[in-house]
Amino acid sequence: TQLLEQSPQFLSIQEGENLTVYCNSSSVFSSLQWYRQEPGEGPVLLVTVVTGGEVKKLKRLTFQFGDARKDSSLHITAAQPGDTGLYLCAGGVRGSTLGRLYFGRGTQLTVWP
Amino acid sequence: DADVTQTPRNRITKTGKRIMLECSQTKGHDRMYWYRQDPGLGLRLIYYSFDVKDINKGEISDGYSVSRQAQAKFSLSLESAIPNQTALYFCATSDYMTSGSRNTQYFGPGTRLTVL
Repeated sequence: TQLLEQSPQFLSIQEGENLTVYCNSSSVFSSLQWYRQEPGEGPVLLVTVVTGGEVKKLKRLTFQFGDARKDSSLHITAAQPGDTGLYLCAGGVRGSTLGRLYFGRGTQLTVWP
Repeated sequence: DADVTQTPRNRITKTGKRIMLECSQTKGHDRMYWYRQDPGLGLRLIYYSFDVKDINKGEISDGYSVSRQAQAKFSLSLESAIPNQTALYFCATSDYMTSGSRNTQYFGPGTRLTVL
């Protein structure tokens, strides 16, 4: 059973388009993180959100944590080829072993020039 | 120099062989993790360790064992490798903060293991 459901699994778009990736669960999270992974490398943290309703922006990337802390979204404006990669959401669950993260299956994004 | 290193980066072995993957970190973190990544399945936790004397099974520990030799070193062993253990393996460390329940994980570059 996957604690975190990510959608879509694959996304192929043209440069300049906007996109949104979703991360959903029936569980409440104490924190939600988004990582980005490039071929041949390990995932790298993009952002952590900890408060329900929180919105964080990193240049063209906007991250939102749901009010109920069960879901999150990543929105990219005017995607560029450099945004290509695997995007992973990961959550820390209240009551679980401290320090564990539960990862979604990832969204493979390809941005074509 | 990389903060989290893994050796080897690539390994091809045969069914039944014993394999050890090694991880070292210079970040000074107490917590270390081993994950396995398969296409379409994301990252799945194999084992994790919160300090040298603390080892915990993750969701897919069968067929694997670990050793925490020091704060900076955490190795993963496959006692008798089988083909469905072919995957990309990642080591990670974390700087878990007790306030705010945050847990940033820092990953190594991965080891690509192929079991024939």
